[in-house]
Amino acid sequence: RKEVEQDPGPFNVPEGATVAFNCTYSNSASQSFFWYRQDCRKEPKLLMSVYSSGNEDGRFTAQLNRASQYISLLIRDSKLSDSATYLCVVNGGTGTASKLTFGTGTRLQVTL
Amino acid sequence: EAGVTQFPSHSVIEKGQTVTLRCDPISGHDNLYWYRRVMGKEIKFLLHFVKESKQDESGMPNNRFLAERTGGTYSTLKVQPAELEDSGVYFCASSQFGPFSYEQYFGPGTRLTVT
Repeated sequence: RKEVEQDPGPFNVPEGATVAFNCTYSNSASQSFFWYRQDCRKEPKLLMSVYSSGNEDGRFTAQLNRASQYISLLIRDSKLSDSATYLCVVNGGTGTASKLTFGTGTRLQVTL
Repeated sequence: EAGVTQFPSHSVIEKGQTVTLRCDPISGHDNLYWYRRVMGKEIKFLLHFVKESKQDESGMPNNRFLAERTGGTYSTLKVQPAELEDSGVYFCASSQFGPFSYEQYFGPGTRLTVT
């Protein structure tokens, strides 16, 4: 079993749609959780840190369920520019600065 | 503020040769990480420096890989001798020391092809 599991997609949605991605992680000691966005042949870029109470940044909402070891990302009013791969990432260490464990990513394609 | 930079952006070498990758972290970031993505797989951790000290090198595949961070600034990752399975994209990331040390920022990567 992978440490971080994501549906690889692709998710094909029309512009303006709402789309949700889910992710599960296996390490119950994980302390920090993130969504990164990766465009084709580019580096991962930090999209959001995920806080235990859930957090929102514009059209993006992230939620964490520690009991179920589950993380989600909701994108509202999708734009063409949201097309990318979304990586679910967890910090596996007991400290704050330690290695990240990545999912394989969920590909999103927003169309006209 | 300049981001994480990596050099070269691409490298094509033959099996058995040596390659050295360089990473310059964001200025002032004490934490520096190396990751690798091989084709079709997820990004995987290689190692973590705090300043010039190796904090965690549990992800280094074998002793053909040597990472250094002399002086606690830039870092190099040397692969010697390179094997076919070393092909992939090598990312460097950095984070600051303190409350937001868990937020890592990635460089553009070095795409290594071993033929």
